[in-house]
Amino acid sequence: DTGVSQDPRHKITKRGQNVTFRCDPISEHNRLYWYRQTLGQGPEFLTYFQNEAQLEKSRLLSDRFSAERPKGSFSTLEIQRTEQGDSAMYLCASSDNNYGYTFGSGTRLTVV
Amino acid sequence: SQQGEEDPQALSIQEGENATMNCSYKTSINNLQWYRQNSGRGLVHLILIRSNEREKHSGRLRVTLDTSKKSSSLLITASRAADTASYFCATGHTDKLIFGTGTRLQVFP
Repeated sequence: DTGVSQDPRHKITKRGQNVTFRCDPISEHNRLYWYRQTLGQGPEFLTYFQNEAQLEKSRLLSDRFSAERPKGSFSTLEIQRTEQGDSAMYLCASSDNNYGYTFGSGTRLTVV
Repeated sequence: SQQGEEDPQALSIQEGENATMNCSYKTSINNLQWYRQNSGRGLVHLILIRSNEREKHSGRLRVTLDTSKKSSSLLITASRAADTASYFCATGHTDKLIFGTGTRLQVFP
């Protein structure tokens, strides 16, 4: 197990298109988190899963955003009808408790 | 939303000097963690201090926590050029971490 993997590393999309990102957590970790980070800011919490259950969604996550974690393994984050304001780094992290997250390298989204 | 604020926002020092970063937060916490991020990459966990602890060490890192003042500090001793990165504090709650705004550290050789 080489850690948390995110795919793709970079995504450029036209405004209005849908995009989907994937995160493969560390296999023993039952918690999976999505964060968004814009330039010069800290990561902002979006949502998290314990196993396959989505337990919390931030108010930052509009109706255009949806996340899934089927079977409690990998997770996907979909953004529908992308807007320029969605341009950011999307970070995934996993943990087996609340003590220390392992982050992936992130997916950088650019909406043009 | 972000819980904490780091101070300073940016810090430039020479190799060999010590670097101190401060973090203030607003609500009660279970623990406080520090992370490092190299430009354009994911975050790396550095150290965790529980709410009932006051000081913790890990190699060249020293973290303090003052829950009465809702503040923490991270000291990096004998800094190296490779320590150049952004450093974030994150407050641990029952279900998630909330990150601060970060300190950008530049260490000149």
